[in-house]
Amino acid sequence: KQEVTQIPAALSVPEGENLVLNCSFTDSAIYNLQWFRQDPGKGLTSLLLIQSSQREQTSGRLNASLDKSSGRSTLYIAASQPGDSATYLCAVRPPAWGGSYIPTFGRGTSLIVHP
Amino acid sequence: ETGVTQTPRHLVMGMTNKKSLKCEQHLGHNAMYWYKQSAKKPLELMFVYNFKEQTENNSVPSRFSPECPNSSHLFLHLHTLQPEDSALYLCASSQVFDRTYEQYFGPGTRLTVT
Repeated sequence: KQEVTQIPAALSVPEGENLVLNCSFTDSAIYNLQWFRQDPGKGLTSLLLIQSSQREQTSGRLNASLDKSSGRSTLYIAASQPGDSATYLCAVRPPAWGGSYIPTFGRGTSLIVHP
Repeated sequence: ETGVTQTPRHLVMGMTNKKSLKCEQHLGHNAMYWYKQSAKKPLELMFVYNFKEQTENNSVPSRFSPECPNSSHLFLHLHTLQPEDSALYLCASSQVFDRTYEQYFGPGTRLTVT
């Protein structure tokens, strides 16, 4: 059974810092990995999706990398801003041939960026 | 309306009440999901519907009853809930045969059972 772990569970940093959030998964046979952002009491907003054949994806100040063989992904946030404060979740999707495409989610990293 | 919408956004109900949560997607997707998110826990998948047919029931108690009348609408009927059922209930949709299976989430319904 796939297990997804996110470290750290919580992070508080001053504005302007570059951040790395980590996601690890136990089964390297994945279809893709997706990073989400969740604001308090709200739904999930997709940030980046990396297919298993890809190494990284970038969107603005965000960069997500994937090392499938070691079961790891990192989300890099450059020049953090108070508006980046949220919980960041990663979700791993199993291979399509497995009969299920339901993702497994981590518990998330709660990020606070203070001015 | 665009994306995935959920109503109501907040719901307080007693343990003997019956209520329903509604989800609607405007993305032309053919799969819809219910998730439960409790404090300090990972997202828990509850139900999955593909083309209106239920394909996953993650051992959810019968006091939660889903309904999917068409590919755009999903309901979660609630009755005789327990206080531990208080949580954020999230709906999501995706395109089953899309290359990425990417899910799009609604804003959630914050449910409090008193």
